[in-house]
Amino acid sequence: RKEVEQDPGPFNVPEGATVAFNCTYSNSASQSFFWYRQDCRKEPKLLMSVYSSGNEDGRFTAQLNRASQYISLLIRDSKLSDSATYLCVVNEPSGGVSGAGSYQLTFGKGTKLSVIP
Amino acid sequence: NAGVTQTPKFRILKIGQSMTLQCTQDMNHNYMYWYRQDPGMGLKLIYYSVGAGITDKGEVPNGYNVSRSTTEDFPLRLELAAPSQTSVYFCASSSTRGRNEQFFGPGTRLTVL
Repeated sequence: RKEVEQDPGPFNVPEGATVAFNCTYSNSASQSFFWYRQDCRKEPKLLMSVYSSGNEDGRFTAQLNRASQYISLLIRDSKLSDSATYLCVVNEPSGGVSGAGSYQLTFGKGTKLSVIP
Repeated sequence: NAGVTQTPKFRILKIGQSMTLQCTQDMNHNYMYWYRQDPGMGLKLIYYSVGAGITDKGEVPNGYNVSRSTTEDFPLRLELAAPSQTSVYFCASSSTRGRNEQFFGPGTRLTVL
């Protein structure tokens, strides 16, 4: 079975710190990559998509290395509001009766971040 | 837009009981999904649907059934509840081919005693 592996965490960092999350995936046919954020007892929400060229959204930077099957998320100048669990998510072909072109998301177990005052 | 809504929010079942978890989306998405999330674990796909009338098994379908009679609704049925089905259940939807963002409902917390 295809896997998505993340740092187990938890990460406890002071406000203002820079923190990096790493993720590896095993299915080389994976097409799309994401970081989701999940607050305690809430649903996951998309934080950002990850592109081969790397992409940045404010304090958040995501990188993808297809050759190494590795994804990263960097958070700069951590805020208390960044405290959450960060899920690495990979979109891969699912096959099944739905046929070619069907995809499903495979989720990592998540890395919990606590930003401390 | 309400997005993805799920009912109920919480439920306690006795072993052997049955129930249906409701999921509705108002974004006209073709793709819908049911996941379960156990403590400290990643989300596991139970069933998914690529459109009305089409459903397919995910990673952990045993003990569950689904139907998709309309674009908006994707109910999940538990026929004979077991303690192993104690979990948080999330419904999600996406627009096309699963390459885009999935939008999740708030979840249903189910306990089977």
